[in-house]
Amino acid sequence: DTGVSQNPRHKITKRGQNVTFRCDPISEHNRLYWYRQTLGQGPEFLTYFQNEAQLEKSRLLSDRFSAERPKGSFSTLEIQRTEQGDSAMYLCASQATYEQYFGPGTRLTVT
Amino acid sequence: AQSVSQHNHHVILSEAASLELGCNYSYGGTVNLFWYVQYPGQHLQLLLKYFSGDPLVKGIKGFEAEFIKSKFSFNLRKPSVQWSDTAEYFCAVIITGGQGGKLIFGQGTELSVKP
Repeated sequence: DTGVSQNPRHKITKRGQNVTFRCDPISEHNRLYWYRQTLGQGPEFLTYFQNEAQLEKSRLLSDRFSAERPKGSFSTLEIQRTEQGDSAMYLCASQATYEQYFGPGTRLTVT
Repeated sequence: AQSVSQHNHHVILSEAASLELGCNYSYGGTVNLFWYVQYPGQHLQLLLKYFSGDPLVKGIKGFEAEFIKSKFSFNLRKPSVQWSDTAEYFCAVIITGGQGGKLIFGQGTELSVKP
């Protein structure tokens, strides 16, 4: 059982740079979710995919954010022109029924 | 908007003490309810879940939770905590019948257990 994996685990970037994160879900899980977690808060929903289709995006997901899930397997989350307010832990979860399994997250620090 | 509220931000207990963490949600329809735990340096793990049926659900590591529909609550309990229960605990709901099945989390409760 390989679980959900995320890469990189940590990313430090300068304001204005673009960053991309990758999530590899548990195989055969057709739903994939992205969440963002800031210090002292619970995770907040960003977007989700059913296979390769992106079915919902939170209003938290500004135009600088884009997510893809080509072929319904791994997913990428890209942030363009990063801002300091983007600093957070970005979590990925995959789901087969109603139970979501979380990855270790990517911690983004924007300096 | 739907929301989840956890009453305590930080709880400090001694080993063998009993634990109850409060969770309330604001939604009048059908929900699925979850408690997740995050041990230091680890990722979120499911402790227990409620979908339907017996409102008292048992999870891993001796935890249980009771769904009280009239109070919109899903409190987490453990009769006797151990030092290894030190972690952050998150209550979450899914609005059933809605789009997607996204989890709506509370802000979390940090539990510190003193040996």
